[in-house]
Amino acid sequence: DAKTTQPTSMDCAEGRAANLPCNHSTISGNEYVYWYRQIHSQGPQYIIHGLKNNETNEMASLIITEDRKSSTLILPHATLRDTAVYYCIVRRDTGTASKLTFGTGTRLQVTL
Amino acid sequence: EPEVTQTPSHQVTQMGQEVILRCVPISNHLYFYWYRQILGQKVEFLVSFYNNEISEKSEIFDDQFSVERPDGSNFTLKIRSTKLEDSAMYFCASSPRLGWAQYFGPGTRLLVL
Repeated sequence: DAKTTQPTSMDCAEGRAANLPCNHSTISGNEYVYWYRQIHSQGPQYIIHGLKNNETNEMASLIITEDRKSSTLILPHATLRDTAVYYCIVRRDTGTASKLTFGTGTRLQVTL
Repeated sequence: EPEVTQTPSHQVTQMGQEVILRCVPISNHLYFYWYRQILGQKVEFLVSFYNNEISEKSEIFDDQFSVERPDGSNFTLKIRSTKLEDSAMYFCASSPRLGWAQYFGPGTRLLVL
């Protein structure tokens, strides 16, 4: 699976949009971009994923560049409860296996 | 909203003892996974399970580990003879289809003394 690069940490004021970048310059055409987050020591929580097109759900928006070499997760109105480690994961599904390979992620701190 | 559940939430055991970690995946999900996270480290893939057999396993998942789906609802991870380095959070995850999102449980914190 393609390697991803994320900033180690970011701060965001409550109520503002949090924009979390991810570089995945070696991504292949059949690899998806997934975003998960982990609040303290809880289980990773799925946020959103995409292949080529931008995606939006009730939690966030995912913007993928046209060349697919980078993406941005947008939390439109960050709250204190969004403080977490955010993981950008590139995943290819092969046969009957589709493991997630977690990196170190971005630690997002939302402040008052 | 359906959730993956895991029991126990905490488990303390002596080195060399066997432990069984239990998971109830989301109903109707077909793919099941175990991951672990040693304190302060990354979440690591252990094993994936589909159609009653292991579909992929990592180097961590050696002969001391085994998984089983004993009935239609439970998915278990057994560590035969625990070592100090097995101390970690163990997360179960399930997915409805290959290529869909994986949904994680809250984890079991295992401490081996």
